[in-house]
Amino acid sequence: NAGVTQTPKFQVLKTGQSMTLQCAQDMNHEYMSWYRQDPGMGLRLIHYSVGAGITDQGEVPNGYNVSRSTTEDFPLRLLSAAPSQTSVYFCASSDTPPHPSSYEQYFGPGTRLTVT
Amino acid sequence: DAKTTQPTSMDCAEGRAANLPCNHSTISGNEYVYWYRQIHSQGPQYIIHGLKNNETNEMASLIITEDRKSSTLILPHATLRDTAVYYCIVSRRTVGNEKLTFGTGTRLTIIP
Repeated sequence: NAGVTQTPKFQVLKTGQSMTLQCAQDMNHEYMSWYRQDPGMGLRLIHYSVGAGITDQGEVPNGYNVSRSTTEDFPLRLLSAAPSQTSVYFCASSDTPPHPSSYEQYFGPGTRLTVT
Repeated sequence: DAKTTQPTSMDCAEGRAANLPCNHSTISGNEYVYWYRQIHSQGPQYIIHGLKNNETNEMASLIITEDRKSSTLILPHATLRDTAVYYCIVSRRTVGNEKLTFGTGTRLTIIP
């Protein structure tokens, strides 16, 4: 298993550009999430999904869209990038209760995004 | 979800036990305590979780006080590879485990 994969690893955008951060998992997990991490602020939840076709907002959803057309993929779209979206983005997935491993979120390696 | 309070940073000598405290005085009865760690530039890694009993796995032990208002993560024999930021999270199990609230954590440095 590759686990949770994210592409690209690094990206530089100009203000106003759009792009999609890709996230895929091969563990057949129902639950997937996107977080952003900024210095001194820990990780903050952007959007999450409890299954294909179902998404919901987290703590900081503004400026981001998600969709979940398959169990494996959970892309994050930046519609019009702003400097405030400069951050490191992590995707995560977790198993379905009551599976014992459902207590654990598996994180991808992250995407470092800079918006100029 | 309940808030947590952790020290900003700690040092521990290599080979000694690292004890990381966490206060969660507003925890409610159905909230779990989770610990994750993040090694520099990597994604967070799950360590352990518990509800009210002490827990142990191959990575660490989790000691939860009887009133559940605080807990301690114990790394029994710290190595240099344990240098990381450690996050204590208190959260209900919602539908799954799809959303956790991470604070700023404790930066643990293992000293050779």
